[in-house]
Amino acid sequence: KQEVTQIPAALSVPEGENLVLNCSFTDSAIYNLQWFRQDPGKGLTSLLLIQSSQREQTSGRLNASLDKSSGRSTLYIAASQPGDSATYLCAVMGGSEKLVFGKGTKLTVNP
Amino acid sequence: DTGVSQNPRHKITKRGQNVTFRCDPISEHNRLYWYRQTLGQGPEFLTYFQNEAQLEKSRLLSDRFSAERPKGSFSTLEIQRTEQGDSAMYLCASSGPRGDNEKLFFGSGTQLSVL
Repeated sequence: KQEVTQIPAALSVPEGENLVLNCSFTDSAIYNLQWFRQDPGKGLTSLLLIQSSQREQTSGRLNASLDKSSGRSTLYIAASQPGDSATYLCAVMGGSEKLVFGKGTKLTVNP
Repeated sequence: DTGVSQNPRHKITKRGQNVTFRCDPISEHNRLYWYRQTLGQGPEFLTYFQNEAQLEKSRLLSDRFSAERPKGSFSTLEIQRTEQGDSAMYLCASSGPRGDNEKLFFGSGTQLSVL
């Protein structure tokens, strides 16, 4: 059974800092890994999708890496801004269509 | 296209009542998903449709839950004889076929409170 763990559960940083969010998964037989952002009381916004054959994906100030063999992914956020404050969720899709989510990392960027 | 639309945004009901939620996916997406999320947790998979066919169902989905996607367009999720443990955010998502536009796009969710 696939399990996804995200560390830390919460993170508070000053504006402008670069930061890394971590995600680990127990079954390396994945099809893809996705990072999402969720604002309070809202749905999820897809940030980055990494196929199992890829090592990283970049979008603007965001960079996600994937090390399938070790069951790890990181989300790097450069030059953080208060608007980046949200919960960031990592999810993996295996052979079925089911995305398995971690519990998320709640990020607060202080002005 | 305005994205995935879910109605209603909020639903308050009494225990034992039936409720139905609606999801309108992005029009060109053939894959549709329902998830459930409780406070402090990540979303949990409930069910998946490819076009009109329901191809996967979680064991979380008891016989009180039923989902449909007639004609492969909008989808409904019905909960019969609601229980307090059904209180959660119900999220719908859609995506394109595998190999093409696989990112999941989520709606804003329906927040269900069972009193």
